[in-house]
Amino acid sequence: QSALTQPASVSGSPGQSITISCTGTSSDVGGYNYVSWCQQHPGKAPRLMIHDVSNRPSGVSNRFSGSKSGNTASLTISGLQAEDEADYYCSSYTSSSTWVFGGGTKLTVL
Amino acid sequence: EVQLVESGGGLVQPGGSLRLSCAASGFTFSTYWMHWVRQAPGQGLVWVSRINSDGSSTSYADSVKGRFTISRDNAKNTLYLQMNSLGGEDTAVYYCARGGDIAFDYWGQGTLVTVSS
Repeated sequence: QSALTQPASVSGSPGQSITISCTGTSSDVGGYNYVSWCQQHPGKAPRLMIHDVSNRPSGVSNRFSGSKSGNTASLTISGLQAEDEADYYCSSYTSSSTWVFGGGTKLTVL
Repeated sequence: EVQLVESGGGLVQPGGSLRLSCAASGFTFSTYWMHWVRQAPGQGLVWVSRINSDGSSTSYADSVKGRFTISRDNAKNTLYLQMNSLGGEDTAVYYCARGGDIAFDYWGQGTLVTVSS
């Protein structure tokens, strides 16, 4: 049950787009379309932003989008806003009938 | 409005036990899978356990297997996590999260468990 691999940090200026990668294996990310992305602001509970690779829950801005290619999933945030500054975590269902999270990526809006 | 409220956290000595609860409201609890996810201070999210809607199926992370037990009482709309043989590595904020068709779509505010002598 190794954690999915995410970059420790990414940054971008307001209005720009950024992409956060999430790399797993064929036993998790590559094997299932059950990749989710959560946003977490400091001291707050996580919030689901993307589920099933590319689906946005109701209420999530369409500036957030997800995709997957092979064993790597990606979260793209377009038109960066100050409020997007947070930690982002990917997660995936696994072949062991468990779930695994990524190590998290700190997004800084410059 | 979906609400998940965890309780039961606190300070416990190494080797001790603790039972966490997660009270659910605003949805039909008995039809959803549920998860426990933890976050050590300054660290990332780690999946701990999940239970299916009627409690007949469970799964655990290797790090807690044999020590933690997830359960639920659908009549009380409550999810539980019994934690035994606790060690310092179990110190974390524990979140309950709703699962099912969409994993982790709602989260509680978390309850802090501190394992220390």
